[in-house]
Amino acid sequence: EPEVTQTPSHQVTQMGQEVILRCVPISNHLYFYWYRQILGQKVEFLVSFYNNEISEKSEIFDDQFSVERPDGSNFTLKIRSTKLEDSAMYFCASGLDRANSPLHFGNGTRLTVT
Amino acid sequence: DAKTTQPNSMESNEEEPVHLPCNHSTISGTDYIHWYRQLPSQGPEYVIHGLTSNVNNRMASLAIAEDRKSSTLILHRATLRDAAVYYCILRAYNNDMRFGAGTRLTVKP
Repeated sequence: EPEVTQTPSHQVTQMGQEVILRCVPISNHLYFYWYRQILGQKVEFLVSFYNNEISEKSEIFDDQFSVERPDGSNFTLKIRSTKLEDSAMYFCASGLDRANSPLHFGNGTRLTVT
Repeated sequence: DAKTTQPNSMESNEEEPVHLPCNHSTISGTDYIHWYRQLPSQGPEYVIHGLTSNVNNRMASLAIAEDRKSSTLILHRATLRDAAVYYCILRAYNNDMRFGAGTRLTVKP
């Protein structure tokens, strides 16, 4: 069964550094998402992406964040200048339809900012 | 966003059925009812979804009230592997999916 894959599984970075989290969504999916989960807290929506542009973003997704689908297969989340509070699990997801189909999630990237 | 209300936690015995309730009294006519679960140290996993009619799949059944203001996720025979946080989420075409706190299900051997 096709799955969403995320790399790396764990990323450690210093405060102020840029990080890029990578995702390969399921190949025929059209909608792409990033979520994050701070340890012990709920899963939070960051951004959705469709037709090569952002569809919706949350208040968390400020100017420090950006997303890109550079080559038709990868979907990336960039954090320009990481802060300690960016430490979290970041989940990528993809889906065929916006409401009437499942979202398929990757197993996440654990980002640790020191 | 239409909100859902779920119990914080529930317990079940292994190999017994589990009924996980969800209230969504402000649901709109075009909102789909989705259920996901998150096993420890994993990403969320799709379980089932529906609009108006009851739905069955290999993982679970979804019973939707006639007025659509509540729904119940039914696990027919809980196993230890079903211990997870279960999320009931409303999805509309004009909004993306947001997670609440969910119900933490504990399965006792």
